[in-house]
Amino acid sequence: SQTIHQWPATLVQPVGSPLSLECTVEGTSNPNLYWYRQAAGRGLQLLFYSVGIGQISSEVPQNLSASRPQDRQFILSSKKLLLSDSGFYLCAWIRTGGGANYGYTFGSGTRLTVV
Amino acid sequence: AQSVAQPEDQVNVAEGNPLTVKCTYSVSGNPYLFWYVQYPNRGLQFLLKYITGDNLVKGSYGFEAEFNKSQTSFHLKKPSALVSDSALYFCAVSPFPNAGKSTFGDGTTLTVKP
Repeated sequence: SQTIHQWPATLVQPVGSPLSLECTVEGTSNPNLYWYRQAAGRGLQLLFYSVGIGQISSEVPQNLSASRPQDRQFILSSKKLLLSDSGFYLCAWIRTGGGANYGYTFGSGTRLTVV
Repeated sequence: AQSVAQPEDQVNVAEGNPLTVKCTYSVSGNPYLFWYVQYPNRGLQFLLKYITGDNLVKGSYGFEAEFNKSQTSFHLKKPSALVSDSALYFCAVSPFPNAGKSTFGDGTTLTVKP
């Protein structure tokens, strides 16, 4: 079965420190991968998506970057965190190709607090 | 550009009563619509989708949604609410049937009281 893992679950980081959040998918190949941020427990904002290794599309200019070093691995990074980077970060994947589709499958999220 | 509006921040219903969570959308092409549920400190879970075909879509946990093209709406419904249905519900629209690059509404908190 397909599963998605996200870690860490919670993170408290000082302003100006670096960030690395990791997401991995198991049980599938060539997934489309997405990073969303949820602020204040409400709407989701699409940050990055990737349709393959090394292929990253950015939706919103910001202090963050993403990388996809392996087919099933998606990393969200920052060189220097800002207070405004605080939020709940969600990784998601969707199947590519034909067959039934079920929308996004989300990871359990990372709660980032920048202090 | 695409957008989704969930006009109610909060919906309160009594257990056993029917519930409706409203969603309207705007999209330039065909609408591909989705509902998700989120429990505290968790990721979103897929409930149901409309891609094409019947306007009434049935999904997980007894939920269904009605697609209305003329009113550009996709309201989530359930005939008899359970306390365990209490959660945050999101409507989403995508330019693709596989949900890629979805735009989400701001969410509606559903509270079902015993």
